[in-house]
Amino acid sequence: EDQVTQSPEALRLQEGESSSLNCSYTVSGLRGLFWYRQDPGKGPEFLFTLYSAGEEKEKERLKATLTKKESFLHITAPKPEDSATYLCAVRPVVQGAQKLVFGQGTRLTINP
Amino acid sequence: DVKVTQSSRYLVKRTGEKVFLECVQDMDHENMFWYRQDPGLGLRLIYFSYDVKMKEKGDIPEGYSVSREKKERFSLILESASTNQTSMYLCASSLRDRGYYGYTFGSGTRLTVV
Repeated sequence: EDQVTQSPEALRLQEGESSSLNCSYTVSGLRGLFWYRQDPGKGPEFLFTLYSAGEEKEKERLKATLTKKESFLHITAPKPEDSATYLCAVRPVVQGAQKLVFGQGTRLTINP
Repeated sequence: DVKVTQSSRYLVKRTGEKVFLECVQDMDHENMFWYRQDPGLGLRLIYFSYDVKMKEKGDIPEGYSVSREKKERFSLILESASTNQTSMYLCASSLRDRGYYGYTFGSGTRLTVV
């Protein structure tokens, strides 16, 4: 069964304190791994897609990396506006299926 | 710059009512999805559609049905609302696989069944 596990469930950092969020996945074959940001009461907003091990993507203070079993979302010198829930999702290689399997998310709080 | 629009942000309905949640996208996407999101359970797929008049069950379809009469519109129907259907409902759309860019989500509908 395809599965995505994110850790930690919640993370509280001080402004400027860098850290990483983890996304571990088990899939029969990986078509893509996706990171989303979700603010309270809103729909998830797309951040990154990663397709193969060794790939990295960056956007402002965020950098996503991918290995064969997990992905990391690194946050460098975060600001309070980076506070949100970060969701990881995978698209398995299944013929005819274009669904994503989501993790439960990491709730990130950045204190000023 | 809204691309996936859900008709209501907040909705309160009574047990036993038939409830319609509407979703419209303006990006000409083939795929559309309905998820519900609950604390501790994450996003769970209810139904999805790859084309007009086409639908497939997701992981938790019980108590729900869907309708897709036009490419841009995907409706979720709660046949007889129950309190355990109180949740945040998220609609999403995506291009058919010719270079996969991920989903675009709507803002969500928070449904409370009393």
